[in-house]
Amino acid sequence: AQTVTQSQPEMSVQEAETVTLSCTYDTSESDYYLFWYKQPPSRQMILVIRQEAYKQQNATENRFSVNFQKAAKSFSLKISDSQLGDAAMYFCAYRRSNTGTASKLTFGTGTRLQVTL
Amino acid sequence: NAGVMQNPRHLVRRRGQEARLRCSPMKGHSHVYWYRQLPEEGLKFMVYLQKENIIDESGMPKERFSAEFPKEGPSILRIQQVVRGDSAAYFCASAGDASNYGYTFGSGTRLTVV
Repeated sequence: AQTVTQSQPEMSVQEAETVTLSCTYDTSESDYYLFWYKQPPSRQMILVIRQEAYKQQNATENRFSVNFQKAAKSFSLKISDSQLGDAAMYFCAYRRSNTGTASKLTFGTGTRLQVTL
Repeated sequence: NAGVMQNPRHLVRRRGQEARLRCSPMKGHSHVYWYRQLPEEGLKFMVYLQKENIIDESGMPKERFSAEFPKEGPSILRIQQVVRGDSAAYFCASAGDASNYGYTFGSGTRLTVV
């Protein structure tokens, strides 16, 4: 069974600084997708960034980027120029590659990010 | 397209009552997933449905919980004889047939059992 581990329950970053959230996963599959979701106090789950395992290039979305290390099964999220609105719970998630029917997401336990002035 | 709609947003039930949670997927999406989030925890998969069929219910408790996604209408997650331990946020997500993306989530239903 696939597992996703986030070893940092809480992180703090000063506004405008950079922070990296860690995520490791375990799978025997070779093709899969990885995601980072943001959950602000409103509870809405918001997709931040995704990575296809077959792509060597790390995904980037504006201030958010990932460091995907397939051999190490590591998928960290870097937030640059942190803003107060980035404060939220961040969840790392894994999904097997689409094999004809979309498969379920497996989530980590989350990292609570605080952004300070 | 209003996205994934879940209702109610908040639901309070007394122990022993039934809870019905509704999820309308995004237009054109035929795959629905239910997840449960206990306080200060991540989302745990419960069940995956595709129109009129349960595809994967490996995360559903064996008793009191059921889910359906009829041909017409929203998906329903039903919890019978609720207990305090059922108090949680329940999220629904939907996806299309060729979705290689993370799913679109609803805003969740917070169930409180008193």
